[in-house]
Parts: sequence; structure tokens; C-alpha cells
Amino acid sequence: GAGVSQSPSNKVTEKGKDVELRCDPISGHTALYWYRQSLGQGLEFLIYFQGNSAPDKSGLPSDRFSAERTGGSVSTLTIQRTQQEDSAVYLCASSLAGRSDEQFFGPGTRLTVL
Amino acid sequence: KNQVEQSPQSLIILEGKNCTLQCNYTVSPFSNLRWYKQDTGRGPVSLTIMTFSENTKSNGRYTATLDADTKQSSLHITASQLSDSASYICVVSVVGSNDYKLSFGAGTTVTVRA
Repeated sequence: GAGVSQSPSNKVTEKGKDVELRCDPISGHTALYWYRQSLGQGLEFLIYFQGNSAPDKSGLPSDRFSAERTGGSVSTLTIQRTQQEDSAVYLCASSLAGRSDEQFFGPGTRLTVL
Repeated sequence: KNQVEQSPQSLIILEGKNCTLQCNYTVSPFSNLRWYKQDTGRGPVSLTIMTFSENTKSNGRYTATLDADTKQSSLHITASQLSDSASYICVVSVVGSNDYKLSFGAGTTVTVRA
């Protein structure tokens, strides 16, 4: 398909383990975003990639969270030493150029930390 | 405090009836306002976008209104269908070099019953 894809769709892990979440943006989109969606909360911005510019990491909640984007396409969000409060749906989105462009969201990865 | 407040938190309506969702925001300066529909287990999908100068925008049975003076927006669903059951999220974009940063409401969960 031509949409944003994410994997895995569901991830259950034990507290203290590391997890990697993957996002494949729409081909040709230069901007990529990661969000966290907790139950009953609005989407929380985590990190933003735009082309070759330095990413905006201002939304990452702690140094246990990191993300990279290889070759300007696929992105991985890594959470180290997971905690129960990390349980949420992690959404990835991409947009054509970034500035006020419509963001197209993936289906999300539901992370459950036991 | 969230800068985008939505009400009601949830509502149940009968198929064929109309309903109106509210969004109040305090973010400024304002760039645009979007309404997203998020089906269960899926990522949000954009329904409408309005800039500062627009008062209303329609997308099929969905009509969004905007009052930039009072910083209020509404989403009206006409002749609801079972497929309208979803979470509806109001998203406000802020002008500036960081206008890719969006403020998300917590959403209104709509359940349409036969």
C-alpha cells in the first residue's frame, strides 16, 4: 500500500527490556513524526525528522527514548529499560515537506509493558 | 493544562441522527485547525482543515466551523451512520518556525447505534 506502515502492530514486553518500533513513511515524504497516545489523552509529540536537518527531540520524555531515521526513509523508535508507564500506542506520521502539510498517520504500535 | 479542549468526552447517538462536537483552544498564534477521525486500532485521518480566515468547511456529511475570535470550532455530523463510530480529534497548528508542532485535543468518542 501507499500509506504509512508501522511494525509490530502489538508489542508486549517485560519491564526493563528494550523495544524497537519501526515506521515506514509514505515514499517521497521528507518529514516524519513520532507521537505517543495514552488512553484518554491527546497525542503527545515525541520527535520530528525533516530531511537532513537535525531532528527535533524536544518531545522525548526521557533519555531512555531515542529515534533514528536511516537514509531519509525508515525510522525506528527505541525505548530502553521499558517502564509500565511507557505502555501506550505509538503513532508515526509523515508529511510531504513538514510545514503545515497534512500528516498521514500509520496504524500505530500498541506497546504493553508488564 | 491542555491548550485544546474537546467536549463532550464521549457521546452515543442513534443511527440517522445528527451530532455536534466542540473544540476550544488557547494556542496562538493560530495557523490552521484540523479535525481528524480515528477508527479503533487505526491512525487518525484528516477530515477537514481550516485556516484563520475560513468559517466553515465540509467533507460529505461532516461540517466543521471555526470562530477565530472566540477560539472555538465545532464538527457537525449529519445523518450519522454506524461507520461514524470513532474518536474525533481536534488539532491546532501554531504559526512559526516550529509550526510543525501541533496541539492535540484528547478527542471525542462517538458511538453510533442502530
